[in-house]
Amino acid sequence: EPEVTQTPSHQVTQMGQEVILRCVPISNHLYFYWYRQILGQKVEFLVSFYNNEISEKSEIFDDQFSVERPDGSNFTLKIRSTKLEDSAMYFCASSGTLNTEAFFGQGTRLTVV
Amino acid sequence: AQKVTQAQTEISVVEKEDVTLDCVYETRDTTYYLFWYKQPPSGELVFLIRRNSFDEQNEISGRYSWNFQKSTSSFNFTITASQVVDSAVYFCALLSGGYNKLIFGAGTRLAVHP
Repeated sequence: EPEVTQTPSHQVTQMGQEVILRCVPISNHLYFYWYRQILGQKVEFLVSFYNNEISEKSEIFDDQFSVERPDGSNFTLKIRSTKLEDSAMYFCASSGTLNTEAFFGQGTRLTVV
Repeated sequence: AQKVTQAQTEISVVEKEDVTLDCVYETRDTTYYLFWYKQPPSGELVFLIRRNSFDEQNEISGRYSWNFQKSTSSFNFTITASQVVDSAVYFCALLSGGYNKLIFGAGTRLAVHP
């Protein structure tokens, strides 16, 4: 069964460093998303991406964040200068069309020290 | 504004008990979609069901059933004859407005004990 895959599963980084979280969405999906979940809290929307551009972003998604689809398969989230409060589980998701279910990857746990 | 409320933070049951997880949503849109996701201890988010606002039929899938009531803005989830493997955090979510983002509730942690 097709699935969304994320790498790495866990990343530890020093405050102020740049990190890139990688995702391979389901191959025939057109809509891509990043969500995050601070430990023990709700899942929060960060950004959606369609047709090679951001279609919506939340207040959390400030100038420190960027997304890219560098080739036909990968979808990345970059955090330029990490802060302690960026520590969270980051989920990538994809959906085939609008209004359909999003399928989530297994998540990348980011720990900023 | 769109909002999802899961008032039950934690539920603990003994195996084989039935359990209902509550979900109340708010939206001004007439077209919207509701979802349930399961987050087992391993951490991934597993899609369970999607419902659109025009389809109020209840759905049953094995031991799982969902009760959608627009009159009370609720989309409740019942597990019949619960099993230890059902232990997880369950999230209700709403897709509305720009149709581009899921708005999640805070989740209900279900613990099923043998």
